[in-house]
Amino acid sequence: EADIYQTPRYLVIGTGKKITLECSQTMGHDKMYWYQQDPGMELHLIHYSYGVNSTEKGDLSSESTVSRIRTEHFPLTLESARPSHTSQYLCASTGGGLDGYTFGSGTRLTVV
Amino acid sequence: AQKITQTQPGMFVQEKEAVTLDCTYDTSDQSYGLFWYKQPSSGEMIFLIYQGSYDEQNATEGRYSLNFQKARKSANLVISASQLGDSAMYFCAMRGDSSYKLIFGSGTRLLVRP
Repeated sequence: EADIYQTPRYLVIGTGKKITLECSQTMGHDKMYWYQQDPGMELHLIHYSYGVNSTEKGDLSSESTVSRIRTEHFPLTLESARPSHTSQYLCASTGGGLDGYTFGSGTRLTVV
Repeated sequence: AQKITQTQPGMFVQEKEAVTLDCTYDTSDQSYGLFWYKQPSSGEMIFLIYQGSYDEQNATEGRYSLNFQKARKSANLVISASQLGDSAMYFCAMRGDSSYKLIFGSGTRLLVRP
């Protein structure tokens, strides 16, 4: 049973559409992350948050934005999707300290 | 800055044999953690094993062990008695204790031959 949930699992959408990828966790973790991964490639950190109303850009520049209004919820938004946004997006969280990182199942986004 | 290097894009191993996947890292943090994840073709990230920088013994989890050599800044994953289900991408990752960002290497694709 997953403690971190991502929806949708797959999304095919047209160019120019606004999309929001959902990520929710039930573990009370204060630290949450978004990674972007092309098939067979490494994971790139694009956004992270260390608590409510705290968001930072990651190491890879991204046109997406995030918000953290509630501890359990960390959605990612693309205002105008483009084919270059086609990728897998993985959400993760940790409680810090000696806690490990829990990953969601990912959203595979295709922009046509 | 933190960096993870995995120099083996792809590896083959015969079923039931052991295989070592290489990982080197660089960090200015005195305290840090090293992780290995498995990613099958379905895309989810499966946690395998963790090594803290101050742990004196190498971590082990079932068929997985981590060969941690701190002076050489290496954290190689050893899989013993390979199984067909071990075929997947394997990622080494690091978190420095000055930051809770988890940074990944480029991964190694392992194929287990019957």
